[in-house]
Amino acid sequence: AQSVTQLGSHVSVSEGALVLLRCNYSSSVPPYLFWYVQYPNQGLQLLLKYTTGATLVKGINGFEAEFKKSETSFHLTKPSAHMSDAAEYFCAVSDFMGSTLGRLYFGRGTQLTVWP
Amino acid sequence: EAGVAQSPRYKIIEKRQSVAFWCNPISGHATLYWYQQILGQGPKLLIQFQNNGVVDDSQLPKDRFSAERLKGVDSTLKIQPAKLEDSAVYLCASSLNREGYGYTFGSGTRLTVV
Repeated sequence: AQSVTQLGSHVSVSEGALVLLRCNYSSSVPPYLFWYVQYPNQGLQLLLKYTTGATLVKGINGFEAEFKKSETSFHLTKPSAHMSDAAEYFCAVSDFMGSTLGRLYFGRGTQLTVWP
Repeated sequence: EAGVAQSPRYKIIEKRQSVAFWCNPISGHATLYWYQQILGQGPKLLIQFQNNGVVDDSQLPKDRFSAERLKGVDSTLKIQPAKLEDSAVYLCASSLNREGYGYTFGSGTRLTVV
């Protein structure tokens, strides 16, 4: 079975500061890795994903994440936080089973607060 | 392309009543998923369909939850009878079965059971 651990349920940063949201996963097969953002009363929006290829993945809104197989990590970063980044962030893992994209396993989420 | 459509957006019911949620995936997406997201937690898969067949329903409380995907397109998730602990957001997602692809989520249905 696959699982995801997000370290820190709440992260607070000042506007303009570095954002670092941590994610570790366990998977018995090469994983697909995702970061989603969820604003209040909205669905999940994909920030970025890693499936194959380059391990440094760039996403929307200036976010990026690096897949480190040796550390089983997929941490999300953004060099300079903006007030609009305040939201809940979810890391997730899945795999490709035969000809079907499998289920997503989500972490518990990290609430990002950005102070002015 | 149009996104994943879900309705209703909000629903309030009393315990022991029944409720149904509807999902229309992106055209051409063979795989459809229903997730339950309880407040303060990450989404949890309830059921996965491949076309109109069930791939995984191991997490679905089958004594009260049911789901169908007739004709391999739209899907309906039903709860009967509802319990207080069913209060959650129910998210529908769909996907192409193609290497490197991902998932597209709908906006969800927020269910409150009182």
